Amino acid sequence: KQEVTQIPAALSVPEGENLVLNCSFTDSAIYNLQWFRQDPGKGLTSLLLIQSSQREQTSGRLNASLDKSSGRSTLYIAASQPGDSATYLCAVRQKTSYDKVIFGPGTSLSVIP
Amino acid sequence: SQTIHQWPATLVQPVGSPLSLECTVEGTSNPNLYWYRQAAGRGLQLLFYSVGIGQISSEVPQNLSASRPQDRQFILSSKKLLLSDSGFYLCAWRTGSGSEKLFFGSGTQLSVL
Repeated sequence: KQEVTQIPAALSVPEGENLVLNCSFTDSAIYNLQWFRQDPGKGLTSLLLIQSSQREQTSGRLNASLDKSSGRSTLYIAASQPGDSATYLCAVRQKTSYDKVIFGPGTSLSVIP
Repeated sequence: SQTIHQWPATLVQPVGSPLSLECTVEGTSNPNLYWYRQAAGRGLQLLFYSVGIGQISSEVPQNLSASRPQDRQFILSSKKLLLSDSGFYLCAWRTGSGSEKLFFGSGTQLSVL
């Protein structure tokens, strides 16, 4: 059974700092991994999607990497801003059950001005 | 462009009352549809997914059911709500082919009292 974990559960950093969020999954047979952002009381916004054949994806100040063999992904945020404060979730789509997307518990990020 | 609508945004219901949450997708055809629940302080739990009209897969035995009466309509129901049904319910969709991104609605905050 696929399990997705995220470390740390919460993170507080001063504005301008670079930071890394971690995501781990137990079953490496995945189609892709997707990073999301969730603001309090809101739905999820897709940030980056990495296909299983890819190593990384970049969008602006965000860079996501994927090491499928070790079951790990990282989300790197450069020059953090207060507007980056939110919960970040990773999710994997499994090969064994194509239509299932399993989420991690999320990392709550606070960027202090 | 594709959009997803989910309503109501908030709902307060007494224990034992019925439930009906509706989700519709516009601008696409034959989407894969999903219902997730997010309990306070916890990750997203996949409840149901559907690859077509009348095709529902259930992930967790529970007090809830789902139906897909039309291609772009997904309904979450309960005959009698329990206190444990409280949470944030999210509808999501993705295209039915390829490894595409998952897109979410704005969510329904359900409080069962």
